[in-house]
Amino acid sequence: QIQLVQSGPELKKPGESVKISCKASGYTFTDYAMHWVKQAPGKGLKWMGWINTYTGKPTYADDFKGRFVFSLEASASTANLQISNLKNEDTATYFCARQIYYFDYWGQGVMVTVSS
Amino acid sequence: EIVLTQSPTTMAASPGEKVTITCRASSSVSYMHWYQQKPGASPKPWIYDTSKLASGVPNRFSGSGSGTSYSLTISSMETEDTATYYCQQWSSNSPITFGSGTKLEIK
Repeated sequence: QIQLVQSGPELKKPGESVKISCKASGYTFTDYAMHWVKQAPGKGLKWMGWINTYTGKPTYADDFKGRFVFSLEASASTANLQISNLKNEDTATYFCARQIYYFDYWGQGVMVTVSS
Repeated sequence: EIVLTQSPTTMAASPGEKVTITCRASSSVSYMHWYQQKPGASPKPWIYDTSKLASGVPNRFSGSGSGTSYSLTISSMETEDTATYYCQQWSSNSPITFGSGTKLEIK
């Protein structure tokens, strides 16, 4: 069955970096785009961007340009999100989601807490 | 960017009551997708391409709309429908956006 399994929760200090992963299984990884979605505590869903899993080309939403990097380990069917120079407002749950033309499968989410 | 405005923000419905959630787009979109999210869980695809029910979604749910106005309707509210519902659009001339969500509770 199709699954997106994300890495575990992270507790970081401001200024640190974090890398979270999203391992896909049950389908051909390179056939579908992978997107990232942020959900701050008690807030709604915010699209961060996506990565072409065939070419590796990332596209970032305007609010996520600069400190955010999408990458792949295609041989491991894994998409990664790295956030550098963490800020308090990066505290959120980060979801990966497979897209056909809507998001048909989601990871379980990774809670990233940024606190001094 | 296309802004999606959902209404109401929060609502409570009695068992058996008909529920309608609306999603208005700042510019015309071709399709609208809807997700259901329960506390502590990932969003689930609920309605896609405006009116198609995702796998496992009860047929008391329906979706409709066109242009800038879309809706999700529950014909008869059940306790298990308590959740937050988000609309989402993807157009070639706009980044992907989500509505701010509608929290639906049971009375």
